[in-house]
Amino acid sequence: EAGVTQSPTHLIKTRGQQATLRCSPISGHTSVYWYQQALGLGLQFLLWYDEGEERNRGNFPPRFSGRQFPNYSSELNVNALELEDSALYLCASSRGNNQPQHFGDGTRLSIL
Amino acid sequence: QKEVEQNSGPLSVPEGAIASLNCTYSDRGSQSFFWYRQYSGKSPELIMFIYSNGDKEDGRFTAQLNKASQYVSLLIRDSQPSDSATYLCAVNGGNAGNMLTFGGGTRLMVKP
Repeated sequence: EAGVTQSPTHLIKTRGQQATLRCSPISGHTSVYWYQQALGLGLQFLLWYDEGEERNRGNFPPRFSGRQFPNYSSELNVNALELEDSALYLCASSRGNNQPQHFGDGTRLSIL
Repeated sequence: QKEVEQNSGPLSVPEGAIASLNCTYSDRGSQSFFWYRQYSGKSPELIMFIYSNGDKEDGRFTAQLNKASQYVSLLIRDSQPSDSATYLCAVNGGNAGNMLTFGGGTRLMVKP
């Protein structure tokens, strides 16, 4: 069974640009979650999508947004990039509510 | 008070010993409890999950849950140097809904 796949592995942007990160969940998983892990900080919840709908978002500004496609894959978009957006962005998927979440390898976003 | 608390460590144990990792949480409505292992520079890997009070064993790992005390623990028997990593406790359910709330992690060092 293929795991959660994320692309790209690394992404380098400059302040003010926009970034798009992609995630494909494990086959059969309908829920996709996005987390941010900044250096020295813990994992922070960003967004949760299930069946194509945004179900919950964490304490992040509106320039963090995303969507889930009919095949359950997902995109995370970050607009107007700031230096503090530099972090590892992790996507996870699960079969449903309260089920174990499995993480992809992440996208490391660096803002210059 | 943080929602999920872990001692940051490092916790140092000799090879072959039992490592005991602890976690407390504040939301009494939390329903699901997870332990992830994260090697430096890598994404979290799910190693155990538990939903009910008591113990759950899987190989060298035992998860223990006490909802009355709002306490979760992970025991690693016959610790190996390859177990050296940061262990993340995560909970969901309750006020957090389906998102995972992570503790800051405990760094475990197993010395040969």
